[in-house]
Amino acid sequence: GAVVSQHPSWVICKSGTSVKIECRSLDFQATTMFWYRQFPKQSLMLMATSNEGSKATYEQGVEKDKFLINHASLTLSTLTVTSAHPEDSSFYICSARSQPRENTEAFFGQGTRLTVV
Amino acid sequence: AQTVTQSQPEMSVQEAETVTLSCTYDTSESDYYLFWYKQPPSRQMILVIRQEAYKQQNATENRFSVNFQKAAKSFSLKISDSQLGDAAMYFCAYMKSGGSYIPTFGRGTSLIVHP
Repeated sequence: GAVVSQHPSWVICKSGTSVKIECRSLDFQATTMFWYRQFPKQSLMLMATSNEGSKATYEQGVEKDKFLINHASLTLSTLTVTSAHPEDSSFYICSARSQPRENTEAFFGQGTRLTVV
Repeated sequence: AQTVTQSQPEMSVQEAETVTLSCTYDTSESDYYLFWYKQPPSRQMILVIRQEAYKQQNATENRFSVNFQKAAKSFSLKISDSQLGDAAMYFCAYMKSGGSYIPTFGRGTSLIVHP
């Protein structure tokens, strides 16, 4: 299957700083990428859908200015958590899908565990 | 809005035995896709199996098979000859055909495999 690489796998940052998480599709062009947040023993909560070359579509309740998403190329999307606070600590997962195969499953990165201290 | 329900927070099975994980969904659409994903302790989400709603035949992938009941909106996963490596969280997902093709996930079922 297709490979999606997410970096870093884990990060610890100080409260008030910003953290960038990268999501790369290694062997396909990802026209659509999804960013999820997952709390312990919970399901995946969709944060936003990112389309290459256009602004991300955020889910209701997700702060656009806090969670900046950039999908500047067909193989890279980034999520920047700005002015991080301890409540932002979570597991963040990206997934990617290629066009024209919109009707296929999305492939997932390995996730990033963010801890804000 | 579509919802996906996994009513079993946790299931356990003996190694080499068979276990079935339940999933129901709510939709008014006729064309859609269903998936089962596995999330092992490494947290990497892995696709286990997928089913197109227009196909009557149940999907199978080696030891994994589904029982897709479209009228009942049920999509259960059967794992045969369970192995220790099958221990993981299993998520059922629904995706409408057309539009944004955004999957909706259930809350997951934690599968424990006893040696």
